[in-house]
Amino acid sequence: GQQVMQIPQYQHVQEGEDFTTYCNSSTTLSNIQWYKQRPGGHPVFLIQLVKSGEVKKQKRLTFQFGEAKKNSSLHITATQTTDVGTYFCAGLPNSGYALNFGKGTSLLVTP
Amino acid sequence: ETGVTQTPRHLVMGMTNKKSLKCEQHLGHNAMYWYKQSAKKPLELMFVYNFKEQTENNSVPSRFSPECPNSSHLFLHLHTLQPEDSALYLCASSLKGGGTGDLDTQYFGPGTRLTVL
Repeated sequence: GQQVMQIPQYQHVQEGEDFTTYCNSSTTLSNIQWYKQRPGGHPVFLIQLVKSGEVKKQKRLTFQFGEAKKNSSLHITATQTTDVGTYFCAGLPNSGYALNFGKGTSLLVTP
Repeated sequence: ETGVTQTPRHLVMGMTNKKSLKCEQHLGHNAMYWYKQSAKKPLELMFVYNFKEQTENNSVPSRFSPECPNSSHLFLHLHTLQPEDSALYLCASSLKGGGTGDLDTQYFGPGTRLTVL
């Protein structure tokens, strides 16, 4: 079946270090979305990428969509303790009916 | 506040009980979803309703029974659950479902933390 793989599963960084999480899909995606879930909270939409090779930035966060529309990444520059949480990618397959979520990357930032 | 509410926020039930989870969205969306989130499988799609019609059922056991009386309300009826069903049950909505690109952005409710004894 259609799957979205996400790595790493966990990442522990010192405040100020950079962080990257990667998503790979077994099929071409119509779009990919990123969500953040704080500890004890629920997933919150961050951004959507639609175009091949698209790059979008939100302050210290940079999102990329691969040329083949099968992979994506989220990069955080100079992490802060407020970045703690689990980051999920979710891909909508070209022929799909609903988003396929990755298993998420849990980020821990220590001061 | 995302415009999606869920009740109750916490639920403890025995294996022989019958209970229902409720979700309501105030966003004018037409698609609603139930997800199960547990430590073993972080985010599993259970059911999708698009314009009140069930469009996806991801091989969910029959002890979970969804109901969507209108586009704003979604229920998950529970009966004879197992301890392994303990998890966070998240409801979400989107403007449309079914591969409509940016109309699929999902807005999640706070979830119901379910414990089955």
